Amino acid sequence: EVQLVESGGGLEQPGGSLRVSCVASGFSFSSYAMSWVRQAPGKGLEWVSAIVDTGGNTYYADSVRGRFAISRDNSKNTLFLQMNSLRADDTAVYYCAREKAGGGFGAFGLWGQGTMVTVSS
Amino acid sequence: DIVMTQSPDSLAVSLGERATINCKSSQSVLHSSNNNNYLAWYQQKPGQPPKLLIYWASTRESGVPDRFSGSGSGTDFTLTIDSLQAEDVAVYYCQQHYSPPNTFGQGTKLEIK
Repeated sequence: EVQLVESGGGLEQPGGSLRVSCVASGFSFSSYAMSWVRQAPGKGLEWVSAIVDTGGNTYYADSVRGRFAISRDNSKNTLFLQMNSLRADDTAVYYCAREKAGGGFGAFGLWGQGTMVTVSS
Repeated sequence: DIVMTQSPDSLAVSLGERATINCKSSQSVLHSSNNNNYLAWYQQKPGQPPKLLIYWASTRESGVPDRFSGSGSGTDFTLTIDSLQAEDVAVYYCQQHYSPPNTFGQGTKLEIK
């Protein structure tokens, strides 16, 4: 089955760190760019970060640049988001998303179910 | 960064009628190299991740009913849902993927009148 499964979310204090992961299955993970998109409770979608298929190029939203780091391990079909210096406004469901084949970098044809990150003291 | 603005913020349409959602980008998302508009539409139902409906502004994703259609070019785009069904109640988002950050519109909540 083609799917993405996120994990690693939880409760963290402001200023703390958390790493969320996304394990891919059912497709050739190393052939696709991957991204993280988040959604604060009751709010809209916010694009967070992206990484090309080889891992050679990464991109970030201004709101997380310098605090978050995206990476991937193609040998383990896994995408990561290392989140440092967490703030209350980082509280959100974090979705892992795969680019749409033939749809251009940044259009997402496959999404995970998301993992909740809560930043609070 | 490219700013995406959707209108309206919410919309109530009767079953069987047409729903129209607009999306405007702060700069063109038409790429001259391939003449493609880097604009996607998503549907999100409560408690679920978003689902891709339309990419390249007007190409329907596999499995999406043909009552969903996308149009527009450059900076102005429209998602049209013909013959609205009860299962179409959702929040709809446009997104540009012309250049990172691949920004989303604020969303349009579609309800049944």
